[in-house]
Amino acid sequence: GAVVSQHPSRVICKSGTSVKIECRSLDFQATTMFWYRQFPKKSLMLMATSNEGSKATYEQGVEKDKFLINHASLTLSTLTVTSAHPEDSSFYICSASPWRLAHYNEQFFGPGTRLTVL
Amino acid sequence: QQQVKQSPQSLIVQKGGIPIINCAYENTAFDYFPWYQQFPGKGPALLIAIRPDVSKKKEGRFTISFNKSAKQFSLHIMDSQPGDSATYFCAASRGGWANNLFFGTGTRLTVIP
Repeated sequence: GAVVSQHPSRVICKSGTSVKIECRSLDFQATTMFWYRQFPKKSLMLMATSNEGSKATYEQGVEKDKFLINHASLTLSTLTVTSAHPEDSSFYICSASPWRLAHYNEQFFGPGTRLTVL
Repeated sequence: QQQVKQSPQSLIVQKGGIPIINCAYENTAFDYFPWYQQFPGKGPALLIAIRPDVSKKKEGRFTISFNKSAKQFSLHIMDSQPGDSATYFCAASRGGWANNLFFGTGTRLTVIP
């Protein structure tokens, strides 16, 4: 149990285009999902927290107009990188927190999406 | 400011050895301390987690030791194998529903056959 998928796993796009990344919890409901960014050989940097049916909460320094997050259902959250530029190239990882009393703080991570902006 | 400090940055052990990775925190509101294992190009996988009401937790070859008074916790990997070669992250979060995880900087473990 507690499987999280991400799609696509890898995307290459031209500068100025928008890219959408999907994050799905496959076998549990997640009222809260998180989006992280990870640079090579570095730790995970939290970008935003999204709760189903409400606006995402962005971390300081993360442009909410550039990184649009939608959490439309209890199993799906999407991250759209708008007008992508080469500096947005990174590994984007989502995580989901199950709505289970005994595991209220657990986060299960997706496999990540490698974004390369040319 | 790094909320969770992790050491060492990298670690090399022989097969069968017991690597130990240490983490320290300052925020006494933290009450959930997980460890994640990450292979290159993959997302982190939850290995084991502990809450402050216990001082030790063992799952398979992985053991967490927790020292509440010192605000430190560590991961021990028994009988390490080459397949354990990965980056390990400690993390911490506050009580309550689905709170943010604060990650350590990671430890790159290499187990030599």
